[in-house]
Amino acid sequence: QVQLQESGPGLVKPSQTLSLTCTVSGGSISSGGYYWSWVRQHPGKGLEWIGHIYSSGTTYYNPSLRSRLTMSVDTSKNQFTLTLSSVTAADTAVYFCAREVTVIVVERRLDVWGQGTTVTVSS
Amino acid sequence: DLPMTQSPSSLSASVGDRVTITCRASQNINNYLNWYQQKPGKAPKLLIYAASSLQSGVPSRFSGSGSGTDFTLTISSLQPEDFATYYCQQSYSTPYTFGQGTKLEV
Repeated sequence: QVQLQESGPGLVKPSQTLSLTCTVSGGSISSGGYYWSWVRQHPGKGLEWIGHIYSSGTTYYNPSLRSRLTMSVDTSKNQFTLTLSSVTAADTAVYFCAREVTVIVVERRLDVWGQGTTVTVSS
Repeated sequence: DLPMTQSPSSLSASVGDRVTITCRASQNINNYLNWYQQKPGKAPKLLIYAASSLQSGVPSRFSGSGSGTDFTLTISSLQPEDFATYYCQQSYSTPYTFGQGTKLEV
């Protein structure tokens, strides 16, 4: 079955750029009917949807992060990435990648998740 | 954004209890409502999608109902492994938003 795995630095300095990669295994990122999402969770808090990308490169970003956010997809490596610039302590969180099923619009859902990676922003 | 409000924020229950968690949307979202379970240190797990459809592999003691603005997640008979935090999520419009979570405790 499809599995997702996040990777990236656990520690980023303030004002620098955070880059995370999600590797998809057990299926193709180019399969139709799926968006590829990022969700984060601040320490002890709830879930925040960051944005998603389709295999064609079409993206939607949460407006709260749009000015600092870039997502990309590499179909040859079966990976998608998140890049967040000018990070601050407020970006310290666990970052999850997830598969979003979109075959039927009303049934959109995040059905497969990575285990999450902890990112700390600190000097 | 489309705020989602869950109640209660926390809930004490016992094994075998029937439990209901409520989620309210700030506007009509039809059936675009999903429920997730999260245990400490783990990723969320999809339980219910489109308000009432049970995700494959999820025990039938979990059920969802509702439409429009008001939704419920029901666990018919709590099992020890069900103690966790539960989140609702609207997929009606981007940015998708989650409820603040309901922590289910012994």
